[in-house]
Amino acid sequence: GAVVSQHPSRVICKSGTSVKIECRSLDFQATTMFWYRQFPKKSLMLMATSNEGSKATYEQGVEKDKFLINHASLTLSTLTVTSAHPEDSSFYICSARFGTSSYNEQFFGPGTRLTVL
Amino acid sequence: SQQGEEDPQALSIQEGENATMNCSYKTSINNLQWYRQNSGRGLVHLILIRSNEREKHSGRLRVTLDTSKKSSSLLITASRAADTASYFCATGTGFQKLVFGTGTRLLVSP
Repeated sequence: GAVVSQHPSRVICKSGTSVKIECRSLDFQATTMFWYRQFPKKSLMLMATSNEGSKATYEQGVEKDKFLINHASLTLSTLTVTSAHPEDSSFYICSARFGTSSYNEQFFGPGTRLTVL
Repeated sequence: SQQGEEDPQALSIQEGENATMNCSYKTSINNLQWYRQNSGRGLVHLILIRSNEREKHSGRLRVTLDTSKKSSSLLITASRAADTASYFCATGTGFQKLVFGTGTRLLVSP
């Protein structure tokens, strides 16, 4: 299957700093990328959907100024957690898909664990 | 919330036994997918079943879908220790995004 990478895999930062997480589709061009957040032993909650070259669509309750998403190319999307606080600590997972059919599989990255001290 | 519910939340079995997980959802769907997640890792796609399908097989996996009851089940036959993971169902509604269920944590003991 297609490969999606995330970087970094783990990050620890101080409260108030900003953290950028990269999501790359390594062997295919992603029409759409998705960003999810997962709390320990919980399900994935979709944060936003991003298409290359356009603004991300955020889910209800997700602060767009807090979680900046940039989809600069067909193979790269970034999530920046601005002015991070301890409550932003979580597991962030991206996924990517090609094509627009709802039957198209999403390929998931390995996730990034963010810890804000 | 549109999030689906999975049942049971946790399941512990011995190697060789079958594991059955159930997923219920609330809205009309276009397709339903099952994913596996090993601890602290990303998700691996297992199988997709379309809304007009009732059953699908892939290796030791069998998925059923009952749209009238808004439910699906995942059966893993002859389980192995390597099947230990969390399993999530996710519904697709014809738009691009998926809505994930609450997950079932499966533990397969040797």
